[in-house]
Amino acid sequence: SAVISQKPSRDICQRGTSLTIQCQVDSQVTMMFWYRQQPGQSLTLIATANQGSEATYESGFVIDKFPISRPNLTFSTLTVSNMSPEDSSIYLCSVTGTGGYGYTFGSGTRLTVV
Amino acid sequence: GDSVTQMEGPVTLSEEAFLTINCTYTATGYPSLFWYVQYPGEGLQLLLKATKADDKGSNKGFEATYRKETTSFHLEKGSVQVSDSAVYFCALRQGGSEKLVFGKGTKLTVNP
Repeated sequence: SAVISQKPSRDICQRGTSLTIQCQVDSQVTMMFWYRQQPGQSLTLIATANQGSEATYESGFVIDKFPISRPNLTFSTLTVSNMSPEDSSIYLCSVTGTGGYGYTFGSGTRLTVV
Repeated sequence: GDSVTQMEGPVTLSEEAFLTINCTYTATGYPSLFWYVQYPGEGLQLLLKATKADDKGSNKGFEATYRKETTSFHLEKGSVQVSDSAVYFCALRQGGSEKLVFGKGTKLTVNP
């Protein structure tokens, strides 16, 4: 299965600023996903990062707040913009290869907004 | 919409105890079902999966059976170890979608 390197692993940010999270995969993958895990809550899909086109966002998430890039088949970034304390969460990158069952997750980025 | 409900945690057991973590789902059609595990400081790892009714997924001594009649996918292990201490997530994937829908997670602590 693919190996994911996600950076940074954690950060403490001031409200009103932005943070870009990187997800690097050691092999070409078909689909990449970004999830949010709020404290004590489940994982929620933010968007699907599509190579060569705009990301597909889930209900409740918008591009202005969570812009995503996917320049090639091994790399994606998620930016959390104009942060507020409500954005304090763990953000996880996930990929799937062929077949749709081989989901692999990064170790996550623990974000605290103060 | 689709949803997954897991038993509330945390769960604390002694080593060699029997483990059950309940998971039920609400979905149309025939989703695929998964259990993921998150060890401290690590990312989620696929533990086991089942893709159709009556399938049994198994891995590392853990088992779960896809029960369509009760819309359940309970996780079981006959004898837990300290190294099984982690957070366990039940999830489903609807056919035709790549999106995973997760339960809230159940934290398991196994004491020696």
